[in-house]
Amino acid sequence: GIQVEQSPPDLILQEGANSTLRCNFSDSVNNLQWFHQNPWGQLINLFYIPSGTKQNGRLSATTVATERYSLLYISSSQTTDSGVYFCAVQERAGNMLTFGGGTRLMVKP
Amino acid sequence: DTGVSQNPRHKITKRGQNVTFRCDPISEHNRLYWYRQTLGQGPEFLTYFQNEAQLEKSRLLSDRFSAERPKGSFSTLEIQRTEQGDSAMYLCASSFRQGAGGYTFGSGTRLTVV
Repeated sequence: GIQVEQSPPDLILQEGANSTLRCNFSDSVNNLQWFHQNPWGQLINLFYIPSGTKQNGRLSATTVATERYSLLYISSSQTTDSGVYFCAVQERAGNMLTFGGGTRLMVKP
Repeated sequence: DTGVSQNPRHKITKRGQNVTFRCDPISEHNRLYWYRQTLGQGPEFLTYFQNEAQLEKSRLLSDRFSAERPKGSFSTLEIQRTEQGDSAMYLCASSFRQGAGGYTFGSGTRLTVV
């Protein structure tokens, strides 16, 4: 099956700093999503981005499908951004999302 | 319809008991998925339905696990003779066919087997 690797695994930021999270995947995909998992366990969809670039407030994401990676940018980080960020992909011949191991972000005040 | 709903939010059970979880997907979605997430890991696929048909099951889904989606609406996941290793967060998601437009996840059911 498809492999999904996220980096870094852990990240500590000072409030106001910017960061970039990376997701590499091993095969062609027709679906890529970035999620934020809150402390109560809910997966909040941030972006549905199988290709191209999208922005939503302080967050933006870029997927370069031909090179099999995606980036999530967080600007002017806030303490409420803390949590785990997951990248998940659906390969072209597949029928489910496969998740990476996540990036655990802590934003300090 | 505001999203995917899961019940209960938390379940504590004694080893050996049976438990059942319910998921109500977004009504327009014809695909429904069950995932399991253990501490410190990403969610892992268990099974999915297209309408009422269960089309794929992961090898993680032992014979103590059974899922149904009668009439292609809500789904239930039952675990028989629970074991401590079943303790996890069970997540449900729904989507259009082939995941078009993305998956929407529910809040999950956290199971603790004591």
